[in-house]
Amino acid sequence: QVQLVESGGGVVQPGGSLRLSCAASGFTFSSYGMHWVRQAPGKGLEWVAFIRYDGSNKYYADSVKGRFTISRDNSKNTLYLQMNSLRAEDTAVYYCAKDNLDYGDLLYFDYWGQGTLVTVSS
Amino acid sequence: DIQLTQSPSFLSASVGDRVTITCRASQGISSYLAWYQQKPGKAPKLLIYAASTLQSGVPSRFSGSGSGTEFTLTISSLQPEDFATYYCQQLNSYPPSVTFGGGTKVEIK
Repeated sequence: QVQLVESGGGVVQPGGSLRLSCAASGFTFSSYGMHWVRQAPGKGLEWVAFIRYDGSNKYYADSVKGRFTISRDNSKNTLYLQMNSLRAEDTAVYYCAKDNLDYGDLLYFDYWGQGTLVTVSS
Repeated sequence: DIQLTQSPSFLSASVGDRVTITCRASQGISSYLAWYQQKPGKAPKLLIYAASTLQSGVPSRFSGSGSGTEFTLTISSLQPEDFATYYCQQLNSYPPSVTFGGGTKVEIK
């Protein structure tokens, strides 16, 4: 069965950096686009970034553009989110999510991980 | 940027009720809309995509309709496990982006 397991969350000071990972299993990872979506405590969902199945296209929300970088290693079935210049407003649970169709470019999210909490605080 | 406005933001209903949630887009998005259900402490779950396509494994009491700027999610007969928060989501091709609505919390009356 499809499994997405995030890791790497924690407490970081404003201006600091953190790298999140998402280990995928149960499907052909290299055939699907992947996303990061976040949810601040008690708030709604916010899409963060997308990477195409082959890494050729990457898209970002305006709120993170220039600070966050999405990447993937298809040989390791792992998705990453490098987060730099973190701000208090980046505090959230970060989910990785999978595109619902293979070889697509920005689609719907049919499987989600359990999320990892990032807290930006001094 | 395209904005999605959900209404109502909060809904109180009873088991067996027919429930309708609306999502309005600030400009036309064809049928590029999905609906998700989220329970407290859990990841969202895809219910409907492409405005009206039921995701595999989702009960048939859930249905979606609409195109352009106005969309609805209908639960034909609310069940105890349906009490949750529901989000709509749209895909934008230029610039490439994804937007979620603000959410509708469905609670027990």
